[in-house]
Amino acid sequence: DGGITQSPKYLFRKEGQNVTLSCEQNLNHDAMYWYRQDPGQGLRLIYYSQIVNDFQKGDIAEGYSVSREKKESFPLTVTSAQKNPTAFYLCASSPGQVYNEQFFGPGTRLTVL
Amino acid sequence: GENVEQHPSTLSVQEGDSAVIKCTYSDSASNYFPWYKQELGKRPQLIIDIRSNVGEKKDQRIAVTLNKTAKHFSLHITETQPEDSAVYFCAASMGGGSNYKLTFGKGTLLTVNP
Repeated sequence: DGGITQSPKYLFRKEGQNVTLSCEQNLNHDAMYWYRQDPGQGLRLIYYSQIVNDFQKGDIAEGYSVSREKKESFPLTVTSAQKNPTAFYLCASSPGQVYNEQFFGPGTRLTVL
Repeated sequence: GENVEQHPSTLSVQEGDSAVIKCTYSDSASNYFPWYKQELGKRPQLIIDIRSNVGEKKDQRIAVTLNKTAKHFSLHITETQPEDSAVYFCAASMGGGSNYKLTFGKGTLLTVNP
């Protein structure tokens, strides 16, 4: 399970505040991904990045932002524009080729108070 | 974009029975179909995958079948054990070029009763 880490494990935020979730990998993977997991909704893609300094919107990007300044890091910011941010957030990485497995981090549970 | 439907949403079996989870996909260009298992409180992990040039793949008690014509694929677990209890997700990818995205189904909660 080592190689991709997320912090913190639990995060509480007041309405109207931005919050940044950390994702780091030491697997030398090119591609990184952010998913949101809600009960009964599966894994929904927020943003993904295939190389440093480049990223694309996923299916539910509204209210989120990302950066990819380093190969190892892909932080996700949940902005105050996200109307329903309480969820479980999963980061993943893969070598970046179509048949390659995605490796997931342990996740961050965000609760908006 | 791709759409993946997964059924059933919940499945309960007796230990030793078989379990089957089915998924359909919408885009005929999809060519990679992984299955992930997520135990309670843990991260998803790949358990088996299949490429579009193969009709079936087996790994011990787990098998996946793919019907490209009908655009559906299935996960088969034989001789189920209590530790098989988890949420299972299917996914599909169009791949090729620079598209590395996976589209996931909504998951199946499998409960294996001892």
